[in-house]
Amino acid sequence: EVQLVESGGGLVQPGGSLRLSCAVSGFTFSDYSMNWVRQAPGKGLEWVSYISRSSSVTYYADSVKGRFTISRDNGKNSLYLQMNSLRDEDTAVYYCAVDTILEPWGQGTLVTVSS
Amino acid sequence: EVVLTQSPDFQSVTPKDKVTITCRASQSIGSTLHWYQQKPDQSPKLLIKYASQSISGVPSRFSGSGSGTDFTLTINSLEAEDAAVYYCHQSSSFPRTFGQGTKVEIK
Repeated sequence: EVQLVESGGGLVQPGGSLRLSCAVSGFTFSDYSMNWVRQAPGKGLEWVSYISRSSSVTYYADSVKGRFTISRDNGKNSLYLQMNSLRDEDTAVYYCAVDTILEPWGQGTLVTVSS
Repeated sequence: EVVLTQSPDFQSVTPKDKVTITCRASQSIGSTLHWYQQKPDQSPKLLIKYASQSISGVPSRFSGSGSGTDFTLTINSLEAEDAAVYYCHQSSSFPRTFGQGTKVEIK
């Protein structure tokens, strides 16, 4: 069974940092590109970042460029998102999603940025 | 950046109705358009990939069409369990983008 489990969310003050993780199982992680997508409370979906299978290519949304860093460890079947200089507007549920077609998705982890 | 505009934003429908949701891209994206369903408190789920390709396990009442800039998601004979928000998404170029979503409510 394919599973993606995000973790690392929580409450953080503006300007703070968090590192999200996405642990995957049930498929060959190294064969697929990965993405982070977020959803602010009551809002729509926003793509955040992409990483290729070998980590050689990464892309970011303009809203997070220079503050967030995506990475992966194929040996540990894990995807990461290092989030620095967090802002109120980064408050959202963060999902990891597989491949170009974004399927499947994890259950999400909530990040709340507030003082 | 490719802007995706969905219409309508909201639709209230009766079971067995036919539902049509459109997604218009600000520039041609070929067939690199995918549709997702998100029910309350759930993660999004892929319904249709590459504009018209069906997904294993998704009911056959869901279908997609279109290419270039204009795309359509059709739900034939809507069921109560189809109440959800539907999103389109393009994988033609970075940054990836989503439509704003269409909420389908059951009367």
